[in-house]
Amino acid sequence: GAGVSQSPRYKVAKRGQDVALRCDPISGHVSLFWYQQALGQGPEFLTYFQNEAQLDKSGLPSDRFFAERPEGSVSTLKIQRTQQEDSAVYLCASSLGRLLGAAYVLVFGPGTRLTVL
Amino acid sequence: KNQVEQSPQSLIILEGKNCTLQCNYTVSPFSNLRWYKQDTGRGPVSLTIMTFSENTKSNGRYTATLDADTKQSSLHITASQLSDSASYICVVSRRYNTDKLIFGTGTRLQVFP
Repeated sequence: GAGVSQSPRYKVAKRGQDVALRCDPISGHVSLFWYQQALGQGPEFLTYFQNEAQLDKSGLPSDRFFAERPEGSVSTLKIQRTQQEDSAVYLCASSLGRLLGAAYVLVFGPGTRLTVL
Repeated sequence: KNQVEQSPQSLIILEGKNCTLQCNYTVSPFSNLRWYKQDTGRGPVSLTIMTFSENTKSNGRYTATLDADTKQSSLHITASQLSDSASYICVVSRRYNTDKLIFGTGTRLQVFP
């Protein structure tokens, strides 16, 4: 597609509920990132994929967070037993290649706003 | 202490005026610095990317500068328009670990007619 798309755009969950957030990166983009953005803050890194391989998941805040990209394209971020502190915008971004020192443009999706009641 | 700090936190200007946003970083060793524009409810959009050897880069009415010695960058917006109202985020990546971008908290710019 023309850009990175995410669904749903908005999600309201009751505390303890599981949620799944989807990201469709730009076709052909090798790298895919997930970020968490709290209100009024900059995005915080969660995890990174190169094709189907999850190369860095050091930003995932707890073992309730799980991400996958099984075929190297669409990615899903799953949050189990959601807590109120999980409320944030979850941004997905993709780029053509690995960001190794080079200025690959990182293209962001519109984000999914998760509200946990 | 944040590794990427931006100032001011928020800014209000009149349409047609110029403004300059600041970014100071402590990330080391440095790889590149990016400025993003984020409209409310949207994902960030890239404005400029600068590597160590670049001092200035323009994108239309946006001009970014970089001083890698003092670890400072600025984003200058010329002849502001109402559509410039957004958050502007400075993002730095560290050499050898460029996968993990380090974001500032942004400057919220409001342009009034």
